[in-house]
Amino acid sequence: QSALTQPASVSGSPGQSITISCTGTSSDVGSYNLVSWYQQHPGKAPKLMIYEVSKRPSGVSNRFSGSKSGNTASLTISGLQAEDEADYYCCSYAGSSTLEFGGGTKLTVL
Amino acid sequence: QITLKESGPTLVKPTQTLTLTCTFSGFSLSTSGVGVGWIRQPPGKALEWLALIYWDDDKRYSPSLKSRLTITKDTSKNQVVLTMTNMDPVDTATYYCAHSRIRFLDRAKVSRSFDPWGQGTLVTVSS
Repeated sequence: QSALTQPASVSGSPGQSITISCTGTSSDVGSYNLVSWYQQHPGKAPKLMIYEVSKRPSGVSNRFSGSKSGNTASLTISGLQAEDEADYYCCSYAGSSTLEFGGGTKLTVL
Repeated sequence: QITLKESGPTLVKPTQTLTLTCTFSGFSLSTSGVGVGWIRQPPGKALEWLALIYWDDDKRYSPSLKSRLTITKDTSKNQVVLTMTNMDPVDTATYYCAHSRIRFLDRAKVSRSFDPWGQGTLVTVSS
């Protein structure tokens, strides 16, 4: 059982926007702006998409954006494309230099 | 360009100790603000953070696995080694190592992100 709660699945049609939530507590997501998001295609290693809640690494499409409100962080993908279909994981600092991952969300592009 | 690659046994027996090596290039683990972490993923399941070692040899472990884990580094060889004792079939997973950028928060070292990741190595625990 993961410390951070994500919906098991979300779906959207090409061109639409979707949002994936990541709910923690006041001890992790709510206390630190240290949430990151990872994309994982089947059989591949995870890839960093967002760090420190809303920062985008070089080379990541600006269709990916992150935000946070209270104990919940969110990843939004706009202009959905077929290649966005993947699993997405959030990760948060949880104090005492420890980290937690979410349970993962499977994104299906219809 | 930063690259990392995990190596180690693909099969271990229950109660044995697992030793995995992460060999990296493109950065030095003696540079301030740099770390290497280990993360695992059981088949079909979520990612789980295991351990992190910093440039100054400080180490952090997942609280739930702390008693079984040891992380070390060999800066001259550009390697990080993770050992996990008393392996069990539930430890069957793909084990990843990843480069981490570190910042200070209230005097604590914290990981800003894991990027990039190694390709992962599948470890099966079975008799």
